[in-house]
Amino acid sequence: DAMVIQNPRYQVTQFGKPVTLSCSQTLNHNVMYWYQQKSSQAPKLLFHYYDKDFNNEADTPDNFQSRRPNTSFCFLDIRSPGLGDAAMYLCATSRVGGTAYEQYFGPGTRLTVT
Amino acid sequence: QKEVEQDPGPLSVPEGAIVSLNCTYSNSAFQYFMWYRQYSRKGPELLMYTYSSGNKEDGRFTAQVDKSSKYISLFIRDSQPSDSATYLCAMSALDSSYKLIFGSGTRLLVRP
Repeated sequence: DAMVIQNPRYQVTQFGKPVTLSCSQTLNHNVMYWYQQKSSQAPKLLFHYYDKDFNNEADTPDNFQSRRPNTSFCFLDIRSPGLGDAAMYLCATSRVGGTAYEQYFGPGTRLTVT
Repeated sequence: QKEVEQDPGPLSVPEGAIVSLNCTYSNSAFQYFMWYRQYSRKGPELLMYTYSSGNKEDGRFTAQVDKSSKYISLFIRDSQPSDSATYLCAMSALDSSYKLIFGSGTRLLVRP
């Protein structure tokens, strides 16, 4: 089945220790997104890629970076995680044209910062 | 003021009840309206998608959009315990078509 896969599902990191979360997709969608979702809150868009074009949200902290080496993979790097960065991180994809607003989400990576 | 407001619940109903979930919004540029369902420890999945005003039905689910009131609803008929989840509304404007603005979600519990 075509899908969005996130690894790991659970990640524990120490305060200030860099961490990388990964996302892969078999849908061949050209748009990929990273969201941060804290408990009982709306998913908050951090950035998205339209093909290789990177689009950062204005309020995304500099501490968050992303890489998309090819169509299938996208990474979220948190350079110096703080306690406030503990959250669920969701990767999503969509395709241009048609129902481009239909985003397919992965299961998320729950990040704990100790 | 948040762009999208959604009652967090939780909403607890008996099996078979009709459920009404709602969102209000402030941005009149929103043209695309979606409902996502999120089970515990899972990513959101798209349930319904509506463009502009009107109703859309899919099985037990009906989505309504009232742009004049900036109000959208999701109705679930004959609710089942398997419908227990958090329901997130999401919206997008035509000129920022890749950006979804989500509500914070309403947690629904359907009791057997």
